Amino acid sequence: EAGVTQFPSHSVIEKGQTVTLRCDPISGHDNLYWYRRVMGKEIKFLLHFVKESKQDESGMPNNRFLAERTGGTYSTLKVQPAELEDSGVYFCASSKYIQQGREGNEKLFFGSGTQLSVL
Amino acid sequence: AQSVTQPDIHITVSEGASLELRCNYSYGATPYLFWYVQSPGQGLQLLLKYFSGDTLVQGIKGFEAEFKRSQSSFNLRKPSVHWSDAAEYFCAVGPRSNDYKLSFGAGTTVTVRA
Repeated sequence: EAGVTQFPSHSVIEKGQTVTLRCDPISGHDNLYWYRRVMGKEIKFLLHFVKESKQDESGMPNNRFLAERTGGTYSTLKVQPAELEDSGVYFCASSKYIQQGREGNEKLFFGSGTQLSVL
Repeated sequence: AQSVTQPDIHITVSEGASLELRCNYSYGATPYLFWYVQSPGQGLQLLLKYFSGDTLVQGIKGFEAEFKRSQSSFNLRKPSVHWSDAAEYFCAVGPRSNDYKLSFGAGTTVTVRA
């Protein structure tokens, strides 16, 4: 079974440019999440999709960030225009269930992240 | 507001020695608690989790963690470290109502020396 896949693994862009990150969740996982880690600090929640709907986008930092999940499969996270403070690692995760539960296989599966550098 | 503190940014340990990573949290109620590990080039992998019951939790790769409510701590331990344990470790908490919405600590990088 393929895991959560993120593209690209690294992206270097200049301030003011646009970047689009992609996440392919595990097949059959309705729940998809975006997290990011800025400047080696804490990993922070950005938003949560249930299928194609945004369940919770309370962690999105500002309107330069746009996440989509058309068709409820893969998701994209666009940053436009990118600023220096957007540099960091963007993680995607998916789960079959909305709650991790007490035991069994219900849990979050994370991708390896996209390292974004804004110069 | 919830927060997670991992006081140690970097720990170096000899192969075969024991390892303890500290985690303290601030939360309105008892949350769900997790430890994740990220090896180079890999995604975050769940090591173990605490939801309720026995405060000593066993995880994968020989790791265990102990929940201490009075200290708001959830420290991770391993009796004998292997070179493959070199990685970055993250403590996380999640609300019982929506435990996907995790709050992570800043991470502890573990270096294993021969």
